[in-house]
Amino acid sequence: AAGVIQSPRHLIKEKRETATLKCYPIPRHDTVYWYQQGPGQDPQFLISFYEKMQSDKGSIPDRFSAQQFSDYHSELNMSSLELGDSALYFCASSSLWQRGNTIYFGEGSWLTVV
Amino acid sequence: GDSVTQMEGPVTLSEEAFLTINCTYTATGYPSLFWYVQYPGEGLQLLLKATKADDKGSNKGFEATYRKETTSFHLEKGSVQVSDSAVYFCALMIGSNFGNEKLTFGTGTRLTIIP
Repeated sequence: AAGVIQSPRHLIKEKRETATLKCYPIPRHDTVYWYQQGPGQDPQFLISFYEKMQSDKGSIPDRFSAQQFSDYHSELNMSSLELGDSALYFCASSSLWQRGNTIYFGEGSWLTVV
Repeated sequence: GDSVTQMEGPVTLSEEAFLTINCTYTATGYPSLFWYVQYPGEGLQLLLKATKADDKGSNKGFEATYRKETTSFHLEKGSVQVSDSAVYFCALMIGSNFGNEKLTFGTGTRLTIIP
């Protein structure tokens, strides 16, 4: 079965640069989530979208923004990168109408800021 | 706010030992409960879930029962294997509106199984 696809899998950026992560949800899923997992930490919720509208916001820095497009893929834009932004970024998706609304995660994008 | 308290790790066991990883939660509503597993260098995989009190989730020999009276969702396996070595996250989800059913995770428990 198709899973959540994230790209790139690995990314190295310098401080103050900008990075963009992409996420392609499972087909027919209507909700996309972004999580950040620092080294040795639990995943922290950043932001979510339902039917292309922002539905909830967590601990997402003002330097970060995200959107969901008409084809349901989502992008997380991170500007003025800091060393502390180095983390594993997960995208996840779910469908309100399928399988008890379980949230399925992608394999993550590793961002290293140097 | 909603929170998950998970057994501190790391946990090291011998192969074929019995495993319990404790998880308790605090929630204002009626959450769904999940266990996710993260193998080294990989993403989060759903291991099992339970959506209401007394439900038992099970998968790959792992089990967890949703206990409302003790607000717990402990993960158990009767005989662990080396391939079970991973980090295990307990999580809850509450949400009544479309798109805000986000997961709140525990801190994770690193499990290492020794042959």
